[in-house]
Amino acid sequence: GESVGLHLPTLSVQEGDNSIINCAYSNSASDYFIWYKQESGKGPQFIIDIRSNMDKRQGQRVTVLLNKTVKHLSLQIAATQPGDSAVYFCAEYNQGGKLIFGQGTELSVKP
Amino acid sequence: NAGVTQTPKFQVLKTGQSMTLQCAQDMNHEYMSWYRQDPGMGLRLIHYSVGAGITDQGEVPNGYNVSRSTTEDFPLRLLSAAPSQTSVYFCASSYSNKYEQYFGPGTRLTVT
Repeated sequence: GESVGLHLPTLSVQEGDNSIINCAYSNSASDYFIWYKQESGKGPQFIIDIRSNMDKRQGQRVTVLLNKTVKHLSLQIAATQPGDSAVYFCAEYNQGGKLIFGQGTELSVKP
Repeated sequence: NAGVTQTPKFQVLKTGQSMTLQCAQDMNHEYMSWYRQDPGMGLRLIHYSVGAGITDQGEVPNGYNVSRSTTEDFPLRLLSAAPSQTSVYFCASSYSNKYEQYFGPGTRLTVT
């Protein structure tokens, strides 16, 4: 059942440091993964995606790593800035073609 | 382009009332979906559509209806509101399945 008042995992980093946010996914048949950023009071915003035929993909200041052996996804943010403070979600497309979201991690950047 | 728009932004309903949450996109996307987000949780899929005239259920469809008569619009109907439906509702669209989804700003619904 659902938990009321569930607390998100949190990550606190110093401005300028690198951040690594981890995600475990459930379905070994999932073949497409997306990282979203959600700021308070807003809808999720696309950051980067990766398909299962890749292990790594880089964007501007962000890198996503995919380890299919252990069903693990990570998002690395280089030189983290105060504007990066948000909740970060990983999401996987399951075999039925539906996008399933993880719980999310709250990133807090200290100036 | 306005992207994905949702109305209203806020709504308070009494138990048993019905209402429709509106969603529209101007990107000519075929794929549209509705999610709900409860405090401290990720988004859960309610219903989705792969094109006009085609809809299907997501993870948590009970208590909600959808229709897709045009490519642009994908309204979500609450048939008889319950306090358990208090949540933030997001609409999203994408070019196709397994592509980046663009999200609207959300509708915050409270059922008393």
